[in-house]
Amino acid sequence: GAGVSQTPSNKVTEKGKYVELRCDPISGHTALYWYRQSLGQGPEFLIYFQGTGAADDSGLPNDRFFAVRPEGSVSTLKIQRTERGDSAMYLCASSASPGNKGGYTFGSGTRLTVV
Amino acid sequence: RKEVEQDPGPFNVPEGATVAFNCTYSNSASQSFFWYRQDCRKEPKLLMSVYSSGNEDGRFTAQLNRASQYISLLIRDSKLSDSATYLCVVIFRGGNKLTFGTGTQLKVEL
Repeated sequence: GAGVSQTPSNKVTEKGKYVELRCDPISGHTALYWYRQSLGQGPEFLIYFQGTGAADDSGLPNDRFFAVRPEGSVSTLKIQRTERGDSAMYLCASSASPGNKGGYTFGSGTRLTVV
Repeated sequence: RKEVEQDPGPFNVPEGATVAFNCTYSNSASQSFFWYRQDCRKEPKLLMSVYSSGNEDGRFTAQLNRASQYISLLIRDSKLSDSATYLCVVIFRGGNKLTFGTGTQLKVEL
């Protein structure tokens, strides 16, 4: 597609439930990033994929968070046993190549609210 | 200490004013620097890269001081449409992930 697509745009879930957030990167972009942004803060890195593999998952806050990219294109961020503190905007970005200067395109995000 | 620090603001300025934002980064082994703009409830978008020699794009000027680990953004003749949050972003050497500052909020008023 023309840009990075994230679905759903908004998700409200109850505490303790499982959620999946989807990211469809720009076609051909090998690098894919997930970020989380809380109100009044900058985006915080969660995980980076190069192709199908997670090259850096150091930003995942705990083992309730997991992400996959089985075919090297679409990625899914999975959150188990959601907590109210997980409420945030989840942003996905893709890039044609790692470290490509300025070549990171963000999706419009999924706003997750845990009630 | 955060890896990238910014004054969160808000900066409230009248239309036509010149405003400057500053940013410091903690890791001297940093390779690439950017300013991103984020409108309310929208995704961040690249405003400009920051080069060691300094660079200008229209009303916007970015400066980098590697010795002081300091980045700045200057906006001249500010417009109402410049109202947004400006995010300082760094890529550390050997890596490729963007590390963001908290962002500085700018409100340009009539």
